Amino acid sequence: EVQLVESGGGLTQPGRSLRLSCEASGFTFENYVMHWVRQAPGKGLEWVSGISWNSMAIGYADPVKGRFTISRDNAKNSLYLQMNSLRAEDTAVYYCVKGTTLKYFDYWGHGTLVTVSS
Amino acid sequence: QSALTQPASVSGSLGQSITISCTGTSSDVGSYNLVSWYQHYPGKAPKLMIYEVTKRPSGVSNRFSGSKSGNTASLTISGLQAEDEADYYCSSYLGSNTYIFGIGTKVTVL
Repeated sequence: EVQLVESGGGLTQPGRSLRLSCEASGFTFENYVMHWVRQAPGKGLEWVSGISWNSMAIGYADPVKGRFTISRDNAKNSLYLQMNSLRAEDTAVYYCVKGTTLKYFDYWGHGTLVTVSS
Repeated sequence: QSALTQPASVSGSLGQSITISCTGTSSDVGSYNLVSWYQHYPGKAPKLMIYEVTKRPSGVSNRFSGSKSGNTASLTISGLQAEDEADYYCSSYLGSNTYIFGIGTKVTVL
């Protein structure tokens, strides 16, 4: 059974940093692209970032480009999102998502809440 | 890039069929047959319902079907059931390792 468990969320102030982690199990992690998708309160889903199996192909949404960094450790079956210079508008539930070569998202974690507020 | 356009809400009676549209541009929906749809109950993890415009994952009811014409993709739910009441999102690949979601549609079963 595929499991994606996010951690690292919490309350932080504008301008500060936070690092999210996602521990994957139930599939061969090193073979798959992985993503972060977020949902702000009362808003829709927003793709944040994705990373290929070998970390060679990475993409970011415009609102986070230059501030967020996605990475992975295949030896630890883990995905990360380093979030710097956080803004109030980054407040959201962040989901760790397993991707596919056919550009869809087939398994989602339950999310971790990030709140950016002074 | 702005989110794909979806109706904010769609409603239907039990047993009826409804269709949710997802409108993009020639740079996203129109360029790739890589549109997918997700069902999302608030507080739960989203669930994949359709991928590659028309394909249904194992375990998803055949009451759910997808299609595309030009820059608009559609999700049809036939034989509407109470448990179909949820938020639905479309997504498209944008190229260059980037993706976009629709604004989401709330489905209400009357």
